[in-house]
Amino acid sequence: GEEVAQTPKHLVRGEGQKAKLYCAPIKGHSYVFWYQQVLKNEFKFLISFQNENVFDETGMPKERFSAKCLPNSPCSLEIQATKLEDSAVYFCASSQSPYGYTFGSGTRLTVV
Amino acid sequence: ELKVEQNPLFLSMQEGKNYTIYCNYSTTSDRLYWYRQDPGKSLESLFVLLSNGAVKQEGRLMASLDTKARLSTLHITAAVHDLSATYFCAVENNDMRFGAGTRLTVKP
Repeated sequence: GEEVAQTPKHLVRGEGQKAKLYCAPIKGHSYVFWYQQVLKNEFKFLISFQNENVFDETGMPKERFSAKCLPNSPCSLEIQATKLEDSAVYFCASSQSPYGYTFGSGTRLTVV
Repeated sequence: ELKVEQNPLFLSMQEGKNYTIYCNYSTTSDRLYWYRQDPGKSLESLFVLLSNGAVKQEGRLMASLDTKARLSTLHITAAVHDLSATYFCAVENNDMRFGAGTRLTVKP
């Protein structure tokens, strides 16, 4: 399709529960990016993939966060043992090298 | 590490006035983006600036890029209420790094 599809749109988790977010990039786009937007509006880069390989993971928290992009499956971002500060909107973007990001509509994660 | 600084963070304007949002970045990059985000929505691409001296205009918005100064500007001409949103600049260097955003409010 011609849009980056993120699911679910909203996710509520209790502290300590696992959260898993999904992103289907635009067909033919080989790069996938995850960003975290917290209430103060800043976009924090988390991780990027080139196909199923991690391209840059310098923004990923060392603990509790993991991500995958497997062939023929949506990409996923998983947070183990969520904390209150993980509450944010998580955006996925895809691109076809060398530039031209398309962003998904985001998943709003609320940890209570 | 690439750093992107955007200012001002908040901007309240009267309709009909002009203003400029600034975006400085710390390392060499030849691709700079401007996005608009409405509350609760995703990012809408406004401009992609690819080379030094690039200038692009769409309606009341005009963006420019000076790669030597590592500076981009987003100029708003004769603001209208519909322009109220948060505007982000972003610089691409392997991945895209964002400024903190400028929350623009245009008052009648």
